[in-house]
Amino acid sequence: AQKITQTQPGMFVQEKEAVTLDCTYDTSDPSYGLFWYKQPSSGEMIFLIYQGSYDQQNATEGRYSLNFQKARKSANLVISASQLGDSAMYFCAMRGPGSARQLTFGSGTQLTVLP
Amino acid sequence: GAGVSQTPSNKVTEKGKYVELRCDPISGHTALYWYRQSLGQGPEFLIYFQGTGAADDSGLPNDRFFAVRPEGSVSTLKIQRTERGDSAVYLCASSSVGGEETQYFGPGTRLLVL
Repeated sequence: AQKITQTQPGMFVQEKEAVTLDCTYDTSDPSYGLFWYKQPSSGEMIFLIYQGSYDQQNATEGRYSLNFQKARKSANLVISASQLGDSAMYFCAMRGPGSARQLTFGSGTQLTVLP
Repeated sequence: GAGVSQTPSNKVTEKGKYVELRCDPISGHTALYWYRQSLGQGPEFLIYFQGTGAADDSGLPNDRFFAVRPEGSVSTLKIQRTERGDSAVYLCASSSVGGEETQYFGPGTRLLVL
């Protein structure tokens, strides 16, 4: 069975600084996809970034980048130049293995950006 | 374009009652997913539709839960004989098939069973 682990229940970062949110995963299948979602207090899950298991380069989307270390089975999210609006719950998720399409989510990290 | 919509946004019901939750996916998305999110946890998969058929219903907790998607677009999650433990946010997501297949979520329905 697949498993996603997020070991940081809560994180604080000063505005304009960078922050790394940790995510490790467990799967025996070589084909999988990794996602990060943001969930503000309003409740909607907002897609941030995707990394495929066969992608050679780390994914980037604006201020978001994914530090993908396949051998260590980690997919950490890096947010650069934090903004107050980044305060939210962040979830790491994995699709797979193989042809399975549902996402398995971690328990999330609550990020608070301090002014 | 329009995102995933879900109705109602909030539903309060009494134990033992029947409820229906509706999801309208992004136009053109053939894949539709239901998840359940309990307080303080990540979403948990319930069921996945590809077109009109349920391709994977392995996440449904018991036979009180059922979902349909008769025309391959709107889906309804049905819960019979609701229990207090069914209280949660029910999230719907949709995706196209192929490529990254990123799932885009709706705002959810907050269900409270008294």
